[in-house]
Amino acid sequence: ETGVTQTPRHLVMGMTNKKSLKCEQHLGHNAMYWYKQSAKKPLELMFVYSLEERVENNSVPSRFSPECPNSSHLFLHLHTLQPEDSALYLCASSQEFGQNTEAFFGQGTRLTVV
Amino acid sequence: AQSVSQHNHHVILSEAASLELGCNYSYGGTVNLFWYVQYPGQHLQLLLKYFSGDPLVKGIKGFEAEFIKSKFSFNLRKPSVQWSDTAEYFCAVNDDTDKLIFGTGTRLQVFP
Repeated sequence: ETGVTQTPRHLVMGMTNKKSLKCEQHLGHNAMYWYKQSAKKPLELMFVYSLEERVENNSVPSRFSPECPNSSHLFLHLHTLQPEDSALYLCASSQEFGQNTEAFFGQGTRLTVV
Repeated sequence: AQSVSQHNHHVILSEAASLELGCNYSYGGTVNLFWYVQYPGQHLQLLLKYFSGDPLVKGIKGFEAEFIKSKFSFNLRKPSVQWSDTAEYFCAVNDDTDKLIFGTGTRLQVFP
């Protein structure tokens, strides 16, 4: 256990569906992240939240919508996804956003878009 | 923009063989360097990190890495691998943009 919990572990959705990924951390961290892990590609940083404010949005399509209601929870709302969005979505947290900080990862949500 | 290169995509070794996985980054400023490991079906976990000080860093499970600033490298080593080291290994760099940037990963298979 890393202290970062993601649900669901697996998700299959159609291109017209709306679903949400949930991440929860019990580490008292102030920064949370969404990454996308696709085969043979580097982990892609999608969003960063620091103290519940979005500080980074790496040119992610609007069909991905993050939400951080408090410092312990992070959501990724999904709608009208494409098959190429199928990937492992990883949530991470760190004490602070910045250098000299180590990220702790959840086990990920394996998303398949059909 | 910062980029991280891991040139070995797939490494196959026998137990007791020595391991070295390459990692190079592109940005030459102040960096923090990490190696993460992902065992089959498990989450990414930190193997070791370099923030400052001794460029030879010792991590868990007998792994070490050496930061060579002049070569922009942070190669991971282990003198004698075990079957349980079978996993995917990711190098990551955090620079003064504060973003943690990952390489593509190296899949290591160790056969008994």
